[in-house]
Amino acid sequence: ELKVEQNPLFLSMQEGKNYTIYCNYSTTSDRLYWYRQDPGKSLESLFVLLSNGAVKQEGRLMASLDTKARLSTLHITAAVHDLSATYFCAVASGTYKYIFGTGTRLKVLA
Amino acid sequence: DSGVTQTPKHLITATGQRVTLRCSPRSGDLSVYWYQQSLDQGLQFLIQYYNGEERAKGNILERFSAQQFPDLHSELNLSSLELGDSALYFCASSGGQGGSANYGYTFGSGTRLTVV
Repeated sequence: ELKVEQNPLFLSMQEGKNYTIYCNYSTTSDRLYWYRQDPGKSLESLFVLLSNGAVKQEGRLMASLDTKARLSTLHITAAVHDLSATYFCAVASGTYKYIFGTGTRLKVLA
Repeated sequence: DSGVTQTPKHLITATGQRVTLRCSPRSGDLSVYWYQQSLDQGLQFLIQYYNGEERAKGNILERFSAQQFPDLHSELNLSSLELGDSALYFCASSGGQGGSANYGYTFGSGTRLTVV
């Protein structure tokens, strides 16, 4: 059964700093998504990664996928307070369902 | 507004009771997914329907059931409720059977269920 692990679970960082969130998964998959969730809110789709070596960037966030290592990263560049949220990766398990990681709660301090 | 509508937003009920959560998918989406989000279990996949048919099942308890109607809206029925069922229940939709290649799922705003 597919297992998805994220680390760190909690991340407190200063504004302007860089950091990376890691998403490891246990079995082969061809699709991986990153989502953002603000407290008490719904999940917002950030990136979809469909192939080995895929890299997507939006503003200060960049996501990449290494299917051979079963690893995706979400890199934060020069963090700002507005990026404070919980970030989830979700990995396709078969055709129809996605298994979510535990989430990384990011807090950016001014 | 994501286009996925969930009602009610909040629900407080007593143990042993039965509730129904409703989801209307984004216009044109055929797949509906239900997820449970709790503090200790994270986001758990419950069940998926595609155009009225059940397509995948996750960690859904026997006390829970769901269906998708001809107009594509879906209902999640939770019965014999226990304190541990308190959680946020999300519905998501997508155009195809396995999620949009470009956008993944579109999530609704969720129903917060509190069992007292």
